[in-house]
Amino acid sequence: LAKTTQPISMDSYEGQEVNITCSHNNIATNDYITWYQQFPSQGPRFIIQGYKTKVTNEVASLFIPADRKSSTLSLPRVSLSDTAVYYCLVGSRGASGSARQLTFGSGTQLTVLP
Amino acid sequence: EAGVAQSPRYKIIEKRQSVAFWCNPISGHATLYWYQQILGQGPKLLIQFQNNGVVDDSQLPKDRFSAERLKGVDSTLKIQPAKLEDSAVYLCASSLDHGGLNTEAFFGQGTRLTVV
Repeated sequence: LAKTTQPISMDSYEGQEVNITCSHNNIATNDYITWYQQFPSQGPRFIIQGYKTKVTNEVASLFIPADRKSSTLSLPRVSLSDTAVYYCLVGSRGASGSARQLTFGSGTQLTVLP
Repeated sequence: EAGVAQSPRYKIIEKRQSVAFWCNPISGHATLYWYQQILGQGPKLLIQFQNNGVVDDSQLPKDRFSAERLKGVDSTLKIQPAKLEDSAVYLCASSLDHGGLNTEAFFGQGTRLTVV
């Protein structure tokens, strides 16, 4: 499984756009990039997933350059409630075509300040 | 739809005792995961089931941890005997996984275990 590297922590102010970059230099051809969000005392929650270029949903955008060795999660106009840990995951199907493996790294603690 | 249900939410036991956690995944979800999350760290995969078969248990400490998924639905994770370092949140997750790669995993709220 591809190893990911993210900043340990980031601070931002309300209303700003936040970009969290994840490095995954040895990403494989079949790997997808997925981001999860985790609040204290809760399980992680899926945010967005992509394979290449740009993906956008109602909460975030995911930018993936052509070489796919990194990805950037973009959160527009953050609020205090976006304070959480954000995890970047890279992976594909498991051995023998089994279900996709989900391997978490240490994540990025985003703190949104008033 | 109902989410992933876990019980109990909290458990305090003494070292060398045994404990069991229960997970009810979202109906129809083929894949079930158990994670251990130590304070300040990301979740660590302990075991992954697809239906009632084990896909990956490479990080499960098999001398003390065991897990089963009866009839491909509910699952239990057991620790016997517990050690102080087992203090963590145990998370259960499930995903639909009908062959596609874009499979979102849904997590329960977890069971916080404290071993004293």
